[in-house]
Amino acid sequence: NAGVTQTPKFQVLKTGQSMTLQCAQDMNHEYMSWYRQDPGMGLRLIHYSVGAGITDQGEVPNGYNVSRSTTEDFPLRLLSAAPSQTSVYFCASRGTGDVNEQFFGPGTRLTVL
Amino acid sequence: GDSVTQMEGPVTLSEEAFLTINCTYTATGYPSLFWYVQYPGEGLQLLLKATKADDKGSNKGFEATYRKETTSFHLEKGSVQVSDSAVYFCASNFGNEKLTFGTGTRLTIIP
Repeated sequence: NAGVTQTPKFQVLKTGQSMTLQCAQDMNHEYMSWYRQDPGMGLRLIHYSVGAGITDQGEVPNGYNVSRSTTEDFPLRLLSAAPSQTSVYFCASRGTGDVNEQFFGPGTRLTVL
Repeated sequence: GDSVTQMEGPVTLSEEAFLTINCTYTATGYPSLFWYVQYPGEGLQLLLKATKADDKGSNKGFEATYRKETTSFHLEKGSVQVSDSAVYFCASNFGNEKLTFGTGTRLTIIP
């Protein structure tokens, strides 16, 4: 199993550009989440999904869209990037069998100029 | 709302020293508690967890005990190694998608 994979690893955008951060998992997990990590602030939940076709907002959803058309994939879209979205983004997943443990991807470091 | 407060870093220790990283939580109810570790350039990995009061989580020589009376979940290790250098995050969760994280503590172990 590859676990949770994320692409790209690094990305630089200009203000106003759009892009999609990709996340995939091969563990057949129902639950998937996106977090952002900023210095001195820990990780904050952006959006999450409890299954294909179902998404919901987390703590800091503004400026981001998500969709969940398959169990495996959970892309995060930035429609019009802003410097405040410079951060490291982590995707996570967990199965229904273990309500506690989340598995994290390696992260995408995004810089918005 | 729920929150997690952990010891600010960075923390620098010599190899074989004793480690404590403090973590306290505030929550309405009794969440599950976790320590995650992030090695350089990698994502977070679950280090240990405890799901109810007085539970002790342990892994790789690290331990933490869920203390309801002090709302704490301090991370300890008796003898640290250079390979333990990483960022450690305390987190709480009520069994839903929202993990509430502390700000992280960067630990550096020098030989």
